[in-house]
Amino acid sequence: EAQVTQNPRYLITVTGKKLTVTCSQNMNHEYMSWYRQDPGLGLRQIYYSMNVEVTDKGDVPEGYKVSRKEKRNFPLILESPSPNQTSLYFCASSLRRADEQFFGPGTRLTVL
Amino acid sequence: SQKIEQNSEALNIQEGKTATLTCNYTNYSPAYLQWYRQDPGRGPVFLLLIRENEKEKRKERLKVTFDTTLKQSLFHITASQPADSATYLCAPAGYSSASKIIFGSGTRLSIRP
Repeated sequence: EAQVTQNPRYLITVTGKKLTVTCSQNMNHEYMSWYRQDPGLGLRQIYYSMNVEVTDKGDVPEGYKVSRKEKRNFPLILESPSPNQTSLYFCASSLRRADEQFFGPGTRLTVL
Repeated sequence: SQKIEQNSEALNIQEGKTATLTCNYTNYSPAYLQWYRQDPGRGPVFLLLIRENEKEKRKERLKVTFDTTLKQSLFHITASQPADSATYLCAPAGYSSASKIIFGSGTRLSIRP
């Protein structure tokens, strides 16, 4: 089944404790992206990747890191999480940038 | 700065009527525009994509228009059903890798029986 998977689905952590949210797609898509969704602010792009080893900042990259060592995986790294990073995170992928995006199920992160 | 506005946060429609959702953008000239549906607690699901050289696109009960002069896209659901109740997001974008994909904050549509 074609899908985008994210793990974990739910995470409660404390300020400053490094964490990684994994994202994987099985559709051989070139373009992958991370978004955060907050009430009233909609979906905001954090980072995106046009292909392996090619990543770039979206609208709200501060406090986040990403890597794209393999085509299928695009992990989101929070080196030192802070409470303002409490949010619902979505990973998405598409064949190319201008194509429909397939979204993962979301990761609800709470930073205390 | 680029701005995307979707009409009223919530729209309530009687079953069977046509729902019309609006997406307006400013300081932006997107080459295409996508519409997504999002159910509570779930990821958005792609519905339709319309390009700047297309005035209208249809898919079953869905219709999207794209007016680059008005800087507006309209999303219509005809013969609406309670199962259409969800939040609908628009996302204009350009083809250049330097052009960000920006999502509107969405319109919550409720179809009452």
